Amino acid sequence: DAGITQSPRHKVTETGTPVTLRCHQTENHRYMYWYRQDPGHGLRLIHYSYGVKDTDKGEVSDGYSVSRSKTEDFLLTLESATSSQTSVYFCAMASGNTIYFGEGSWLTVV
Amino acid sequence: GQQLNQSPQSMFIQEGEDVSMNCTSSSIFNTWLWYKQDPGEGPVLLIALYKAGELTSNGRLTAQFGTTRKDSFLNISASIPSDVGIYFCAGQPVEGGATNKLIFGTGTLLAVQP
Repeated sequence: DAGITQSPRHKVTETGTPVTLRCHQTENHRYMYWYRQDPGHGLRLIHYSYGVKDTDKGEVSDGYSVSRSKTEDFLLTLESATSSQTSVYFCAMASGNTIYFGEGSWLTVV
Repeated sequence: GQQLNQSPQSMFIQEGEDVSMNCTSSSIFNTWLWYKQDPGEGPVLLIALYKAGELTSNGRLTAQFGTTRKDSFLNISASIPSDVGIYFCAGQPVEGGATNKLIFGTGTLLAVQP
């Protein structure tokens, strides 16, 4: 969706380093989400936010933290990246009962 | 956790053929969504369904919200090469409340032979 962007789109990092992915929306939506997508698992929810400074865990939240200091930005942080966190990360926002996705961030942890 | 069973896992068809895929759940859903994902891109919403029995079309695509609220179907008529991609169903379980959290199927890979 044109109203949601992610950065960086691609990143290679070393094990043990911190990594932050940024999601930015221009639609003023309350709900935002971070998913990871892996072969055989589909899309799995990491964390979500229901407002500024209001966040909660999803089904695969271990090793990840998030922050939402402004409505338009939702940050996903890997405090100490591990190889199991190599994945494609998608940010999403909810408009009513419908969820729209960003274009994805490809993260490789070596 | 909750899972969605999506089938088939993959389909290899000839251009012009019709396609059907479905998702089933062990629990009741409020909303069913169908997405398509192209390589290197994020999922793009195709059709959204909000009540049991609802039948909605988007061009050559038609989707239905099952009357039991535990399943949904997506049909593509007269397939064309650009229909190639991975199709995902997603559902919002009743117990999700106002969070709009979705459960996703594992996807159907569609390949169309010209």
